[in-house]
Amino acid sequence: RKEVEQDPGPFNVPEGATVAFNCTYSNSASQSFFWYRQDCRKEPKLLMSVYSSGNEDGRFTAQLNRASQYISLLIRDSKLSDSATYLCVVRGATNKLIFGTGTLLAVQP
Amino acid sequence: DTEVTQTPKHLVMGMTNKKSLKCEQHMGHRAMYWYKQKAKKPPELMFVYSYEKLSINESVPSRFSPECPNSSLLNLHLHALQPEDSALYLCASSQGMGSDYGYTFGSGTRLTVV
Repeated sequence: RKEVEQDPGPFNVPEGATVAFNCTYSNSASQSFFWYRQDCRKEPKLLMSVYSSGNEDGRFTAQLNRASQYISLLIRDSKLSDSATYLCVVRGATNKLIFGTGTLLAVQP
Repeated sequence: DTEVTQTPKHLVMGMTNKKSLKCEQHMGHRAMYWYKQKAKKPPELMFVYSYEKLSINESVPSRFSPECPNSSLLNLHLHALQPEDSALYLCASSQGMGSDYGYTFGSGTRLTVV
């Protein structure tokens, strides 16, 4: 079983749609959680950290369920510019960042 | 603009060449990382430096040799690479290894081994 699992997609959604990505992690000792965004042939960029209380940044909402070892990202009112690969990232007990395989989002006009 | 600068952006090298990738950050971060990313795959950790000391080596072949001359610089020396080593090499930094603030990545060096 992979340490961090994501649905690879692609998710094809129309502009203005709401889309949700899910991620599960296997190590209950994991300490920090993040969503990164990676555009084609570019570097990953931190989108947001994920906290147990849930957190929101504009159109983006992230949630963490430690009991279920589950992380989610919700994007509301999708824009064309949101098209990218979204990487679920977990910092494990050894302090290494472990990346999920990424979920590809394509927002259609 | 990224605050982690990597040079060169593109590199083509032969299997007998020796080359170096460079990474620089001026954010005062004390942990620096090398990652390798193949197409349509997530980044894979290669090396971690913490306070200028090699902290993690993910069983990377010796043809890859990291070096951390000071707290702002990280190099990756390449020698006798194979075509399968062609990939995007990403440098990243963080405040510390246990940082809750995530990593900042450079834009990468796209390496092609011929």
